[in-house]
Amino acid sequence: KQEVTQIPAALSVPEGENLVLNCSFTDSAIYNLQWFRQDPGKGLTSLLLIQSSQREQTSGRLNASLDKSSGRSTLYIAASQPGDSATYLCAVDTNDYKLSFGAGTTVTVRA
Amino acid sequence: NAGVTQTPKFQVLKTGQSMTLQCAQDMNHNSMYWYRQDPGMGLRLIYYSASEGTTDKGEVPNGYNVSRLNKREFSLRLESAAPSQTSVYFCASSGGTRGYTFGSGTRLTVV
Repeated sequence: KQEVTQIPAALSVPEGENLVLNCSFTDSAIYNLQWFRQDPGKGLTSLLLIQSSQREQTSGRLNASLDKSSGRSTLYIAASQPGDSATYLCAVDTNDYKLSFGAGTTVTVRA
Repeated sequence: NAGVTQTPKFQVLKTGQSMTLQCAQDMNHNSMYWYRQDPGMGLRLIYYSASEGTTDKGEVPNGYNVSRLNKREFSLRLESAAPSQTSVYFCASSGGTRGYTFGSGTRLTVV
């Protein structure tokens, strides 16, 4: 069974600092990896999708890397803003209709 | 660009009552899913439908039934609600190169 771990569980930074969120998974035979954002009481918003053949994806201030051989993905958020405060979830798709989620990293960006 | 639409957004049930949660997607995705999210437990898959006409059990199917009405719609039914089914329920769909798209959730309380 695919196990997904996210470290740290929580992170508090001053505005403007870069954020580094880590995700590790136990089975490297993945189809793709997806990062989501969840605001309190809200649904999951997809941020980035990295297919298994890709090493990274970028969208604006967000960059996600994928190293399948070591079972790791990292989400970088540049120049953080208070609006980036949320819980970030890493999800691994092994193409068997059972997305495996990490427990999430809760980020607080202090103004 | 509605994506995945869930109704209702909030519901309070008495123990033993039944209800159906509705989900519809407009992205022409083949696969649809129902998850529940509980504090400390993360997101858990209840049922999924790989394609129109098929449904399969996920991690926590007991107490639930599903219907894939057509390619767009996938409903979740609680036949006899129990307090343990108090949770936030998310519908999702997947297909193509966009990965998973989630709805905004249904917050269900069973008293």
